[in-house]
Amino acid sequence: AQKVTQAQTEISVVEKEDVTLDCVYETRDTTYYLFWYKQPPSGELVFLIRRNSFDEQNEISGRYSWNFQKSTSSFNFTITASQVVDSAVYFCALSGVTTDSWGKLQFGAGTQVVVTP
Amino acid sequence: NAGVMQNPRHLVRRRGQEARLRCSPMKGHSHVYWYRQLPEEGLKFMVYLQKENIIDESGMPKERFSAEFPKEGPSILRIQQVVRGDSAAYFCASSPQGGQEAFFGQGTRLTVV
Repeated sequence: AQKVTQAQTEISVVEKEDVTLDCVYETRDTTYYLFWYKQPPSGELVFLIRRNSFDEQNEISGRYSWNFQKSTSSFNFTITASQVVDSAVYFCALSGVTTDSWGKLQFGAGTQVVVTP
Repeated sequence: NAGVMQNPRHLVRRRGQEARLRCSPMKGHSHVYWYRQLPEEGLKFMVYLQKENIIDESGMPKERFSAEFPKEGPSILRIQQVVRGDSAAYFCASSPQGGQEAFFGQGTRLTVV
C-alpha cells in the first residue's frame, strides 16, 4: 500500500524567512512519481513539480527547491525568502507509473503555510 | 487549449436531493479521475474512468455515489440523497491516453444544508 505523511500540520513564518515542508512516503513500487501541489485560499490545486523516482537530482525553480532522498523516502520542499502570497496548503503526493496508476494519486494530509508580513 | 473544466464551481443542495458534478477533460484526454477533499483533510481518490468504462472505483462510497464518462460529453459524478457529510470539494483530473500528466480542474464545492 502507498502512504504519504506530512507530519507538519501548520507552519507559520515571517516574510523573507525560509520554510521547509517535510514529506515522507511509503511504497512497494520500485518506480513511482512524487508530486507537490499548492492549494491557495481560493481553493484550486496548482501543480508545482513531479519527480520520477529514478531522478534523484535536487531541483530549484525560482524560490522553490526540492530535496529528494530515496534512501530516507523523503521529498522535502523548501520555499526560500517566503512571501505572503506563499500562504497556502501544500500537498505532497505519490503515484505509480503504469497507465492504470499514475493518475491515481495518494495525497498527504497537507501542510498549511502561513506567511505574515 | 482550455484546462480541465468543472461545473458548477459551487453547488448547494438540501439533504435528500441529488447532486450532479460535471467535469470536461482537457481536449484529447480520455482518462478522468475524481477526488474528494473533506474539510480539513487531504484529497482522496474516488474513481478512475476512461471513455464509457469505469477502471477503478475503489475509493467510491458503496452507496449513493456513481460516476460515468460517456462517449460524448463530460464526466458526471452523481450523488443521490445527499447528506451533510457529503459536503466537500470535489476535484476532477484528466490525462491523455498513455500520458504522464494528470491536470486538475478548479473543483466543485458542494454544500449540503
